Amino acid sequence: AQTVTQSQPEMSVQEAETVTLSCTYDTSESDYYLFWYKQPPSRQMILVIRQEAYKQQNATENRFSVNFQKAAKSFSLKISDSQLGDAAMYFCAYRSEFGNEKLTFGTGTRLTIIP
Amino acid sequence: GAGVSQSPSNKVTEKGKDVELRCDPISGHTALYWYRQSLGQGLEFLIYFQGNSAPDKSGLPSDRFSAERTGGSVSTLTIQRTQQEDSAVYLCASRSRPSGTYNEQFFGPGTRLTVL
Repeated sequence: AQTVTQSQPEMSVQEAETVTLSCTYDTSESDYYLFWYKQPPSRQMILVIRQEAYKQQNATENRFSVNFQKAAKSFSLKISDSQLGDAAMYFCAYRSEFGNEKLTFGTGTRLTIIP
Repeated sequence: GAGVSQSPSNKVTEKGKDVELRCDPISGHTALYWYRQSLGQGLEFLIYFQGNSAPDKSGLPSDRFSAERTGGSVSTLTIQRTQQEDSAVYLCASRSRPSGTYNEQFFGPGTRLTVL
């Protein structure tokens, strides 16, 4: 079974600064997807960024980028130019390439933005 | 609707009562998932529907939990004889029929269940 670990329960960053959230995972599969989801107080899970394991290039979406290290099974999220609206819980998630595509989540990191 | 909807938004019940949680997926989405988010935990998978059938029920924590889906659309998660440990946010997600290598799961806002 796959597991996802987020070792930082809470993080904080000054507005406009950069912050990196950590995630490690364990799997015996070679093909899979990794995701970062944002959950604001509204509880709505919002997809921030995804990475296909077969792609060597790190995914980027505007101010969000990942550092994907497949051999180390590490998948960190970097948020640049942090904004007040980035404050939320962030969850790292894993999905197999095949099967029913259910997601396996980490326990989350609560990100606080300091004005 | 434009997105996945869930009802009720919040539910408070007494220990031992039965509850029903509803999920309306995005129209046309054939896959539907239920997840549970307990306090301080990530989301844990409960059950997966493809159409009206549930080929993966492996995440249901006990036989007090059941779910059904009708008409390939609305799904209901039922918890019988609720216990305090059932208190959590229950999230539903739906996904379109795969036509490529990736299809995003879209989440609803969840139902917060509190068992007193």
